[in-house]
Amino acid sequence: SQKIEQNSEALNIQEGKTATLTCNYTNYSPAYLQWYRQDPGRGPVFLLLIRENEKEKRKERLKVTFDTTLKQSLFHITASQPADSATYLCALHTSYGKLTFGQGTILTVHP
Amino acid sequence: DTEVTQTPKHLVMGMTNKKSLKCEQHMGHRAMYWYKQKAKKPPELMFVYSYEKLSINESVPSRFSPECPNSSLLNLHLHALQPEDSALYLCASSQPGTGTKNEKLFFGSGTQLSVL
Repeated sequence: SQKIEQNSEALNIQEGKTATLTCNYTNYSPAYLQWYRQDPGRGPVFLLLIRENEKEKRKERLKVTFDTTLKQSLFHITASQPADSATYLCALHTSYGKLTFGQGTILTVHP
Repeated sequence: DTEVTQTPKHLVMGMTNKKSLKCEQHMGHRAMYWYKQKAKKPPELMFVYSYEKLSINESVPSRFSPECPNSSLLNLHLHALQPEDSALYLCASSQPGTGTKNEKLFFGSGTQLSVL
């Protein structure tokens, strides 16, 4: 069956450290993978999109990698801050027009 | 304007009520979506409108009835809901609205629905 899995339900780190979140997928061959941030009681906010032929993409303190051989994307936040605490969701189009989300990782950055 | 606006923010309704959720965007996006999100779960797709036509219905029960009056507006009409329908209902939009796999979605803040 097709699955999008984010291995950690929750991740706790100290301020200033790098947070690394994992997204694995099975039985898909996505051309693109997206990452979103969701705060409690709010809708997800788009962060980054990476193409299958891009190994890495960066935006400020965020970095995403995409390994189509391993069927995995890693999402890194460097120099993490308490304000980075949120749920992070990976997503990909599992069929035409349908964006499907992983179950999310709750990141907590402690001061 | 890069916002998707949803009203109301909160809604409590009984199982015999009829209510509507509203969503509006002025970004010129031609695809609009309804997602349902239960607590501690990811958003799950319900409906997609592309160029004001319903293109995807994820086998949603008929007590949920979507409507797209024009390219900026999306409604979700609710009737005879069950308590298990209580959730956060999210509206989203995207451009160009053709369902291509690199379309990013812009979400509203959602309507928190409680069915008593």
